[in-house]
This record gives sequence, C-alpha cells and structure tokens, in this order.
Amino acid sequence: SQTIHQWPATLVQPVGSPLSLECTVEGTSNPNLYWYRQAAGRGLQLLFYSVGIGQISSEVPQNLSASRPQDRQFILSSKKLLLSDSGFYLCAGDGFYNSPLHFGNGTRLTVT
Amino acid sequence: DQQVKQNSPSLSVQEGRISILNCDYTNSMFDYFLWYKKYPAEGPTFLISISSIKDKNEDGRFTVFLNKSAKHLSLHIVPSQPGDSAVYFCAASEGAGSYQLTFGKGTKLSVIP
Repeated sequence: SQTIHQWPATLVQPVGSPLSLECTVEGTSNPNLYWYRQAAGRGLQLLFYSVGIGQISSEVPQNLSASRPQDRQFILSSKKLLLSDSGFYLCAGDGFYNSPLHFGNGTRLTVT
Repeated sequence: DQQVKQNSPSLSVQEGRISILNCDYTNSMFDYFLWYKKYPAEGPTFLISISSIKDKNEDGRFTVFLNKSAKHLSLHIVPSQPGDSAVYFCAASEGAGSYQLTFGKGTKLSVIP
C-alpha cells in the first residue's frame, strides 16, 4: 500500500515570510503527485500535479510554486506568503492509472 | 464555475438510520465518480467509486447510486454509525486519471447516538 508523509502538521507564519512544505511517498515508484488546498468553506482545489521528476503542472495561478527533486518527494513553496495562502494543504499520490488518490494528513497553514 | 456541487453543507442522522449524501455535477464529460471521507486534522480517505457504465456500486454499508441523465449521484450509508461522522467529499473526473479529479465542497455528516 501507499503512504504519503507530510510535515509539519500545523504551521503559523507571518505575511511575507517564505514557505516550504515537504511531502514524501512510500510504497510505490514513479507516482503521480499532487498538491491540493482546502480553504475555509471551500472544496479541495488542485494546485499542482507532477507526473515525474522535474515535471510540474500548475492548475491555478498563484503565489505558490512546486518542485519534484526526487521521484518520491514533492515540495510546495512560496517566497512571500499572503494572508490568502492560509488553508489546509494536502499532498496526494497515485501509482496506477485506475487507483484512487491517496492523501497525506495535511498541513494546517495560518498566515498572520 | 462549480462543476461538482454538494448543496447540503451538513446532515444529521440518528444512529441506525440511513444517511443519504447528494452530489450534482454539470460537466457531461465526467464519467468516473468517487466519494472520500475526511476526519478533522486528517487527509481524506477513499470510500467508494463508480464508473458511468454502472448505476450502482455497493461496498458493505456504503452504496453509491449514479443517475447520468440527472447528473446526480448519491451515497447511502446503512445503517449509520457514530464513527461515520465526518466530512464527505464527492469527486468526479473525465476518465479514471486521478489528476483530473474535481471535488465538491463537502457535506459534514453527524450521526447521533
């Protein structure tokens, strides 16, 4: 089975500070990886997905970026956080074409 | 434009009764549908899925019904248990490729003992 590790679980950052959230995957090779965000009162919004090392597709233009330096590592970053970046960030992955998406436990980010 | 809609933000049901969670979609190209369950401070977990070639899929206490003409699907939980209390997300895709998933806003189910 596949395990998605995310850290930290909670994070409070001031406006204008940088951000780096890391996600690692166990139990599969060459997974498709995704970053989702759940903002207050909203559904899960796909931010980025990656089909392989160095391959990033952005779904929503924003203040964030993503990188995939290794097959099982996916990083979400920002150079300067905005208040609107607050939310619950979820990393997810799938290893097979027909497999459902597996999620990590998420990071609750509060920008103050 | 919200392509997957869960119009009920919350639902309360007595333990042992049926819970029915509803989901509507607007994109006629969607042909694969999933339900995820989410507890507080945890990531969503996959519950059940259905392909558009079917109108019903059952897994234990959970059954998903799909009405393609109405662009509507529903999740039935029978009997409901207190441990079912969670937020349920409906999701849809054009094909079974996960990165195409579009999620609804979720429905918070509370099962009252």
